[in-house]
Amino acid sequence: DAGVTQSPTHLIKTRGQQVTLRCSPKSGHDTVSWYQQALGQGPQFIFQYYEEEERQRGNFPDRFSGHQFPNYSSELNVNALLLGDSALYLCASSRGGPITSYEQYFGPGTRLTVT
Amino acid sequence: AQSVTQLDSHVSVSEGTPVLLRCNYSSSYSPSLFWYVQHPNKGLQLLLKYTSAATLVKGINGFEAEFKKSETSFHLTKPSAHMSDAAEYFCVVIPRDAGKSTFGDGTTLTVKP
Repeated sequence: DAGVTQSPTHLIKTRGQQVTLRCSPKSGHDTVSWYQQALGQGPQFIFQYYEEEERQRGNFPDRFSGHQFPNYSSELNVNALLLGDSALYLCASSRGGPITSYEQYFGPGTRLTVT
Repeated sequence: AQSVTQLDSHVSVSEGTPVLLRCNYSSSYSPSLFWYVQHPNKGLQLLLKYTSAATLVKGINGFEAEFKKSETSFHLTKPSAHMSDAAEYFCVVIPRDAGKSTFGDGTTLTVKP
């Protein structure tokens, strides 16, 4: 059983560009959450998708957007990249719905470097 | 609103001695609480979780944590540290009606031989 997978592993972009990161959840999971982890800090919650809709959102600007597909996979898009967007981007999957333990399984992350 | 405070940014212990990593939280709603471990260049791994059942929670690799509502704490302990326990540890709170995760800043555990 594959766990949470993310692509690409590493990415280098230039300021002002746009980037798309991808995530496939663990089998049986229908909820995907995205996090930004800057060097030396804890992950910061960006948003969560369930049933193809954004269910929760953290304190991130509208430059950060996402999408969830019918197969529960998800994309994170970041527009107009800033140097401060350089970070490890983590995807986590869980079982959603009205009864959930919120137990999340994390992927290995995508390391984004903005130059 | 919710927040998590990990009271120590660095903890250093000798191999074979007890480990205590401290976490205090605040939450407007009854929370679910988690501890995750992150080894260098590895993904986050769930150690244990509290979701309103027993207040003393046992996790993997000999770790356990006790939920104390009166003290709003969820400290992580292990009776005897192993070299392989050296890693970054994160305490996480999720309000049960909201689903929005908040991570602490992390505690770096160093284990000396």
